[in-house]
Amino acid sequence: DTEVTQTPKHLVMGMTNKKSLKCEQHMGHRAMYWYKQKAKKPPELMFVYSYEKLSINESVPSRFSPECPNSSLLNLHLHALQPEDSALYLCASSQKPQGGYGYTFGSGTRLTVV
Amino acid sequence: AQKITQTQPGMFVQEKEAVTLDCTYDTSDPSYGLFWYKQPSSGEMIFLIYQGSYDQQNATEGRYSLNFQKARKSANLVISASQLGDSAMYFCAMREELRLSGGYNKLIFGAGTRLAVHP
Repeated sequence: DTEVTQTPKHLVMGMTNKKSLKCEQHMGHRAMYWYKQKAKKPPELMFVYSYEKLSINESVPSRFSPECPNSSLLNLHLHALQPEDSALYLCASSQKPQGGYGYTFGSGTRLTVV
Repeated sequence: AQKITQTQPGMFVQEKEAVTLDCTYDTSDPSYGLFWYKQPSSGEMIFLIYQGSYDQQNATEGRYSLNFQKARKSANLVISASQLGDSAMYFCAMREELRLSGGYNKLIFGAGTRLAVHP
């Protein structure tokens, strides 16, 4: 299995809702990433998890809360989002957090905040 | 800080022709990695090709090749025999080491080039 699976593919939520994005990989990769991609822009890193521990938080607002329950699963919990948070959220994984070069991306979740 | 520059917002190519997408980078690290990704309208980032800074030869993967000119700090993607399915956004990216964070890496991306293949 050489895939990163993200669910749901599309999500519409209100500003008072709580929702979660899910990312799963079964490649034995020990680093997992959340990227945010606004329309017509390149992806930007949000979080890095290394061996199930949060290693990097790129100054992301607390309304985004990541979680890594096990080595295969990465969640992004969303609460009290703003319309400007509407974007494509991409999950990625790599074999190891230091060195190496293989980053595998999922198909993303298109989030719309209304 | 590292930087990736893609100066072509959009490119057009005729089916079966070759096309070159430009990418220049700036880094003071002697060790770095360069990537090209394809992003169709569906959103998935599809890995195409990788070039390490110490690789002696230019990387090739099927119809994709990377024209790596280290002294000029350029890493252009060449797509040969373009197909209609090649129409997508193409991103050049560099692996950046987050030195103050235990050596973890992240990818930094250029602005992208939208390629349209015409029949």
